[in-house]
Amino acid sequence: EAQVTQNPRYLITVTGKKLTVTCSQNMNHEYMSWYRQDPGLGLRQIYYSMNVEVTDKGDVPEGYKVSRKEKRNFPLILESPSPNQTSLYFCASSLVYSGANVLTFGAGSRLTVL
Amino acid sequence: GESVGLHLPTLSVQEGDNSIINCAYSNSASDYFIWYKQESGKGPQFIIDIRSNMDKRQGQRVTVLLNKTVKHLSLQIAATQPGDSAVYFCAENSGGSNYKLTFGKGTLLTVNP
Repeated sequence: EAQVTQNPRYLITVTGKKLTVTCSQNMNHEYMSWYRQDPGLGLRQIYYSMNVEVTDKGDVPEGYKVSRKEKRNFPLILESPSPNQTSLYFCASSLVYSGANVLTFGAGSRLTVL
Repeated sequence: GESVGLHLPTLSVQEGDNSIINCAYSNSASDYFIWYKQESGKGPQFIIDIRSNMDKRQGQRVTVLLNKTVKHLSLQIAATQPGDSAVYFCAENSGGSNYKLTFGKGTLLTVNP
């Protein structure tokens, strides 16, 4: 089944404890992206990647890192999480062509930072 | 800055009625639009898309209308069913090389049996 898989789905952690949220897609998509979803703010892009070894900042990149060493994986790293990073995170991927970018989303990872 | 917004944050309809969800956009350079559906506890799912050179596009029970004159996008759902209850987002691609999608804040559709 074609899908985007995120792990963990739920995580409670403490301030300053490094964590990684993994994302993997099996559709051979070039484009991958991370979003956070907060009440009243909608989906905001954190980082995106157009292809392997190509990453760039989205609208809210502060406090996050990403890497794209392989086409299928795009982990999100929080080096020193803070409570304002408590949120619902979505990874997404797509084939981009002629301006179209139909993202396929993962099921989401709910992160709580105490 | 330019943004995508929604006229109605919530919409409640009776099963079998038609639903219309609206979206206003302000970036006249946007050339591609998508509607997503997000059910509780799940990630957004693609419903339908439309390019700026089109006014209307139909799918199964859904129709998207684009009015570039007033920068307005709508999603029409025919014969709404309880399974249509979800949050609906519009998103626009402003045509930049990064293929970035800007999402609206969403409309909650509730279908009453």
